[in-house]
Amino acid sequence: QKEVEQDPGPLSVPEGAIVSLNCTYSNSAFQYFMWYRQYSRKGPELLMYTYSSGNKEDGRFTAQVDKSSKYISLFIRDSQPSDSATYLCAMSGRYSGGGADGLTFGKGTHLIIQP
Amino acid sequence: NAGVTQTPKFQVLKTGQSMTLQCAQDMNHEYMSWYRQDPGMGLRLIHYSVGAGITDQGEVPNGYNVSRSTTEDFPLRLLSAAPSQTSVYFCASIDRLDEQFFGPGTRLTVL
Repeated sequence: QKEVEQDPGPLSVPEGAIVSLNCTYSNSAFQYFMWYRQYSRKGPELLMYTYSSGNKEDGRFTAQVDKSSKYISLFIRDSQPSDSATYLCAMSGRYSGGGADGLTFGKGTHLIIQP
Repeated sequence: NAGVTQTPKFQVLKTGQSMTLQCAQDMNHEYMSWYRQDPGMGLRLIHYSVGAGITDQGEVPNGYNVSRSTTEDFPLRLLSAAPSQTSVYFCASIDRLDEQFFGPGTRLTVL
């Protein structure tokens, strides 16, 4: 079983819809959870960074962590065509992922927002 | 600031050839790392460095060498390229707030 599971999609929704992206994980040592956005042929860029369980909101984006269920989510409100990208979840036992373990990534979900 | 820069953007090698992927950052970050991204595999850590003169192995280090002679530069060397090393390679650095910045990537094909 992979440490981090993420549905690769593609997930296609109409503009303005609320998008829900999810990851599950098996390693209970993970404490830090991140969401990266990656446009085609570009490097990943950090969207959200949360520690332990709870919610964090930033504009149209909300990250949710449920450590008891080993489940994390990213919600995008009022989705825009410019949100079309691959979304990668990542997690670490040590803050942002410095060290030998680095970050453990999901495979990414390809999101398409239809105009 | 240019952030994290990588060269070349694209490279095609023949099996057995060697080459160096360049990575530089101008943010004075101590921690730098190399990942590879393969379809269906996600990103995996190859090597990392916590400062000049200090490097260590990540999850998939075989076939790769690194050095860190300055804070700014962290080159990745392929000693004898193999088709299994066909991938997209990303360099990253971490700032004092522990945010990880990725470069634009190098697409490598080994024939």
